[in-house]
Amino acid sequence: ETGVTQSPTHLIKTRGQQVTLRCSSQSGHNTVSWYQQALGQGPQFIFQYYREEENGRGNFPPRFSGLQFPNYSSELNVNALELDDSALYLCASSLSNSYSGNTIYFGEGSWLTVV
Amino acid sequence: QQQVKQSPQSLIVQKGGISIINCAYENTAFDYFPWYQQFPGKGPALLIAIRPDVSEKKEGRFTISFNKSAKQFSLHIMDSQPGDSATYFCAAKTSYDKVIFGPGTSLSVIP
Repeated sequence: ETGVTQSPTHLIKTRGQQVTLRCSSQSGHNTVSWYQQALGQGPQFIFQYYREEENGRGNFPPRFSGLQFPNYSSELNVNALELDDSALYLCASSLSNSYSGNTIYFGEGSWLTVV
Repeated sequence: QQQVKQSPQSLIVQKGGISIINCAYENTAFDYFPWYQQFPGKGPALLIAIRPDVSEKKEGRFTISFNKSAKQFSLHIMDSQPGDSATYFCAAKTSYDKVIFGPGTSLSVIP
């Protein structure tokens, strides 16, 4: 149990729709990041938030956006869904990003299927 | 240069045997190398991690060997058990930056 909870666990959306995924980070963790994991691949970094500010972004288009709230929970929003967006979306939290050795805890993910 | 390479893609080991997974990196700025274990339907969980100033780290049956000059590191699982069957990801990280994952190794330990 990592203390990182994600919702929903599974969902199915139609191409062109929008989706919001939610994450509650471990208590006291002010850094949250989102990863996309396609079937059979390693997680790919989408973006990271530190104290409500985005401070890092991977190679994902602007239709992937996010928010971090004052309680450090977070949302991932994806607009204009495409079939290739079907994947496991992982939220991860850590105490801070100033030290590379701070353990990053992953949630169990949200499985998104786009049809 | 941000890539982490990992091999083999899949591995079958008999119970009690040694599982070895190898990784390589290019970016010398990486200063933290974690290994993650992922079971089907679950998120990755930190297994063991090492810094490049250490050549070896052991935790129970799991050992990381690190070769800084070759920019390579490996995970050894001693006395492999069926419960170790999972996908293993090596990864690399710097401060203030994302975790870069390798493509993963699917390990099956057969009785």
